[in-house]
Amino acid sequence: GAGVSQSPSNKVTEKGKDVELRCDPISGHTALYWYRQSLGQGLEFLIYFQGNSAPDKSGLPSDRFSAERTGGSVSTLTIQRTQQEDSAVYLCASSSQETQYFGPGTRLLVL
Amino acid sequence: QKEVEQDPGPLSVPEGAIVSLNCTYSNSAFQYFMWYRQYSRKGPELLMYTYSSGNKEDGRFTAQVDKSSKYISLFIRDSQPSDSATYLCAMGSSASKIIFGSGTRLSIRP
Repeated sequence: GAGVSQSPSNKVTEKGKDVELRCDPISGHTALYWYRQSLGQGLEFLIYFQGNSAPDKSGLPSDRFSAERTGGSVSTLTIQRTQQEDSAVYLCASSSQETQYFGPGTRLLVL
Repeated sequence: QKEVEQDPGPLSVPEGAIVSLNCTYSNSAFQYFMWYRQYSRKGPELLMYTYSSGNKEDGRFTAQVDKSSKYISLFIRDSQPSDSATYLCAMGSSASKIIFGSGTRLSIRP
């Protein structure tokens, strides 16, 4: 069966542009997480979706960041007016119960 | 104080050595505990999952949880160069999202 997939795998953009990152979770998984990981750093929690509940957005670093999950499946993380400090790997994970399964990540570079 | 503390390393040991990786936590509500392994330029992959205090063994890996001390460990026996990676502890409960440690970079010298 397919695991968590993310697209694009790499994204280079100019400062000030908007970017959209996509996550396809494992089918049937009710929970979906977005994390950010800077080079050599740990995971920084961004946002958490669980079923039909209101998402936990407590980790979003600024109002330039937003995410949605359509139909309880695919999720999109949008970063508006990107800044150089947004450069990182953005990881998505899904889970059905306690354990998370991660996608390969999207490497974002803001020039 | 962070909810989960993990020494970032780097930790370098010779091939064949026993490796001990540790995390401490402050939230006594955590019910389940995990260890993830992350190779360079890859997403984390689940290595071990435990739900109760005590030991859980899987091949060369042993996960240990001490809820009374709020301390978890991952032991790697007969370490191999292929074990070189970053190891992240993670924990959660039915009432909260999963919290990750910052990860320990491990290098096994041939």
